Amino acid sequence: GENVEQHPSTLSVQEGDSAVIKCTYSDSASNYFPWYKQELGKRPQLIIDIRSNVGEKKDQRIAVTLNKTAKHFSLHITETQPEDSAVYFCAASRVASGYALNFGKGTSLLVTP
Amino acid sequence: EAQVTQNPRYLITVTGKKLTVTCSQNMNHEYMSWYRQDPGLGLRQIYYSMNVEVTDKGDVPEGYKVSRKEKRNFPLILESPSPNQTSLYFCASSFYRTVDVDEQYFGPGTRLTVT
Repeated sequence: GENVEQHPSTLSVQEGDSAVIKCTYSDSASNYFPWYKQELGKRPQLIIDIRSNVGEKKDQRIAVTLNKTAKHFSLHITETQPEDSAVYFCAASRVASGYALNFGKGTSLLVTP
Repeated sequence: EAQVTQNPRYLITVTGKKLTVTCSQNMNHEYMSWYRQDPGLGLRQIYYSMNVEVTDKGDVPEGYKVSRKEKRNFPLILESPSPNQTSLYFCASSFYRTVDVDEQYFGPGTRLTVT
């Protein structure tokens, strides 16, 4: 099955700096790559997603890049703020696998003022 | 308000006592799924359903059952819970499009402890 590796497991940045989280996947047929943010005690919430026919997508301070050849994708957060502190999960999925979201193990991001 | 709801939110039970965690969505989603979240392991899929009366196993189905008799409900059943099923459980739902994966919406979670 699909295997998603996520790095780093923890990340600490100063407010205003950028944060980058990287994921690799094993199944070349995966074609949907969402990123979820999970605050302490809360449910995962989708912050951005990208499909395999697109190389980059941006939404305000958040961007995701996808390299299908290398089978990796990354989350970029610019101008970080303390409220960005949370656990971030990447995932990979494809229709043929029953929509299963195969998650990375998560990155705990801490933004210090 | 469009949402996925789960009940109960917290449950402490004993080994072997059957329990059901309910999940309901009001978005007319065809696809529903159960995940468990464990420290250091992330979220793993237990079971999923692509529509009424259609269910299939995810990555960690052992010890769980599901049913999909109505489109809006997808209960998770633990016939004989064991301590290794202590976890945080999330239900999720989305539209099902045969040619594309859609955003999955998560419920608030159910924290289960089996002693």
